[in-house]
Amino acid sequence: GQQVMQIPQYQHVQEGEDFTTYCNSSTTLSNIQWYKQRPGGHPVFLIQLVKSGEVKKQKRLTFQFGEAKKNSSLHITATQTTDVGTYFCAGLRGSTLGRLYFGRGTQLTVWP
Amino acid sequence: NAGVTQTPKFQVLKTGQSMTLQCAQDMNHNSMYWYRQDPGMGLRLIYYSASEGTTDKGEVPNGYNVSRLNKREFSLRLESAAPSQTSVYFCASSLSSYNSPLHFGNGTRLTVT
Repeated sequence: GQQVMQIPQYQHVQEGEDFTTYCNSSTTLSNIQWYKQRPGGHPVFLIQLVKSGEVKKQKRLTFQFGEAKKNSSLHITATQTTDVGTYFCAGLRGSTLGRLYFGRGTQLTVWP
Repeated sequence: NAGVTQTPKFQVLKTGQSMTLQCAQDMNHNSMYWYRQDPGMGLRLIYYSASEGTTDKGEVPNGYNVSRLNKREFSLRLESAAPSQTSVYFCASSLSSYNSPLHFGNGTRLTVT
């Protein structure tokens, strides 16, 4: 079964609207990583969260790791057309990256 | 810096044929990985190599073999391709197998007919 659940699968927004994608795990994660994949491209690392309750920001992107280290979210404020792509979370269940499980991704479409 | 280089970019095989996907990284990373990506399924780990000389199975290893040729190169072999192996394959590397970001190659789009 899916180790890390990610919702929604698709999100269509108008430019300027906000966007959020959520990840959940049934078990505690050691850390969580977020990646972005542009259409036709490869996943590119965005950030890693390690600590319980951690919040990190990258310009318009805000990443959170839940207190129980079982869930995480990525929030984009005032989306732009350059934000188009699929956003993946990847949760580490254990100590080595051989136990890094990707969510199915949220495909973001931004209308100008 | 080229980063992670995969060859070929595209490949069409007939059922039962074999092939090897090549991957090389020039970042002096210790760990390397092979993932497959299917529509709506995210990325699933096939095999990984935590360090030179070691390989381990991931989530979906059946039908594949790997070789960590040296620190730079990690190949994926399909001995007898099946239509279920039609997918996009990504190679990735990381500095270590603990808490390191993955750096992905551009992918190989494989179709098995």
